[in-house]
Amino acid sequence: DGGITQSPKYLFRKEGQNVTLSCEQNLNHDAMYWYRQDPGQGLRLIYYSQIVNDFQKGDIAEGYSVSREKKESFPLTVTSAQKNPTAFYLCASSITIHQETQYFGPGTRLLVL
Amino acid sequence: AQSVTQPDIHITVSEGASLELRCNYSYGATPYLFWYVQSPGQGLQLLLKYFSGDTLVQGIKGFEAEFKRSQSSFNLRKPSVHWSDAAEYFCAGDYGGATNKLIFGTGTLLAVQP
Repeated sequence: DGGITQSPKYLFRKEGQNVTLSCEQNLNHDAMYWYRQDPGQGLRLIYYSQIVNDFQKGDIAEGYSVSREKKESFPLTVTSAQKNPTAFYLCASSITIHQETQYFGPGTRLLVL
Repeated sequence: AQSVTQPDIHITVSEGASLELRCNYSYGATPYLFWYVQSPGQGLQLLLKYFSGDTLVQGIKGFEAEFKRSQSSFNLRKPSVHWSDAAEYFCAGDYGGATNKLIFGTGTLLAVQP
């Protein structure tokens, strides 16, 4: 079955630590996205990538970094510069970047120790 | 600015009753519109979408939505709610441009009473 996987399901970050969230898709989609979800705020776009080796900042990119070395993979690193990282992180993908349906992974909950 | 609004934060309905969740999009160019459902601690599942054409859209799990340009609305409906429908529902719009960015409403949390 095709789909999007995210790991781990829960992640704990210590002060000053960088952590990386994994997102993999086998849908053969060109475009991938990272969203952050906070209670009562809906979802906000962190970064997106329309094709391999390309990515762009979204609305709240500060304190985050990404890479897109393979079509299937779009890992998100939460750096120590992100002062309020506790949130639910969702990865999504779509066939292309242009007004296509986005499909979501199961999410990763990041907590700060 | 482009926006999607869900006026109701929480809604409680009795099992078997009908349901309507409201969604309004900002006036101007009509976005592509989506409804997603999220169970606690889970990702978002697509219920239905509207791109163009017939304004009444059928989705999964017995849901439907009606696009009304005159009211800038895309309300989600279900004739008879089941206890398993309890979840959070998100309306989203894609206004196009270079990013394919989805603009999400803040969500409506649905509780179902037995």
